[in-house]
Amino acid sequence: GAGVSQTPSNKVTEKGKYVELRCDPISGHTALYWYRQSLGQGPEFLIYFQGTGAADDSGLPNDRFFAVRPEGSVSTLKIQRTERGDSAVYLCASSLTYTDTQYFGPGTRLTVL
Amino acid sequence: GNSVTQMEGPVTLSEEAFLTINCTYTATGYPSLFWYVQYPGEGLQLLLKATKADDKGSNKGFEATYRKETTSFHLEKGSVQVSDSAVYFCALSGSKTSYDKVIFGPGTSLSVIP
Repeated sequence: GAGVSQTPSNKVTEKGKYVELRCDPISGHTALYWYRQSLGQGPEFLIYFQGTGAADDSGLPNDRFFAVRPEGSVSTLKIQRTERGDSAVYLCASSLTYTDTQYFGPGTRLTVL
Repeated sequence: GNSVTQMEGPVTLSEEAFLTINCTYTATGYPSLFWYVQYPGEGLQLLLKATKADDKGSNKGFEATYRKETTSFHLEKGSVQVSDSAVYFCALSGSKTSYDKVIFGPGTSLSVIP
């Protein structure tokens, strides 16, 4: 079956612009996670959705970052007023429930010039 | 808070050599422990896991044993192949029965040469 997909695969933007990153989880997975991976580092947790609600957003670095999952499936990570320090690979993962194995997408590489 | 430390890379081995990648953790309670692998050009995927002390996770010839007394979860493989070249991440989750976020280590890059 289809795995987790993320679009776009690459995004280049200018400092100060707004970006949206999309994640399509595996069908039927109720749990969805966003991570950020900087070069040479492990993934860093950003936010966890259980269904439509953000059950844990403690990893969002500041109020420029926001994520939604309005119908409990596709999720969008939104970054306002991008900064060069936001450049990273943004990973999405989904799991059947929060105790099950997380399946990761290929990531979106964001570059802020 | 919870954290994971793993040996720095890159690690370069010849084919058929023995592999150990060290991982130690800090956590309260009884975390679940994981090894994830990221092959070149592919997404992160779970390699193995262990959920309680003395459990051994194994997959694809890799093994790791949950050692609570030394707070370690070292990854081992008896004979590596070129296809094992990847980045390996040790990780933990603070709970196995309720939600807790997964904390990843910085990753160890492995290159296996023929």
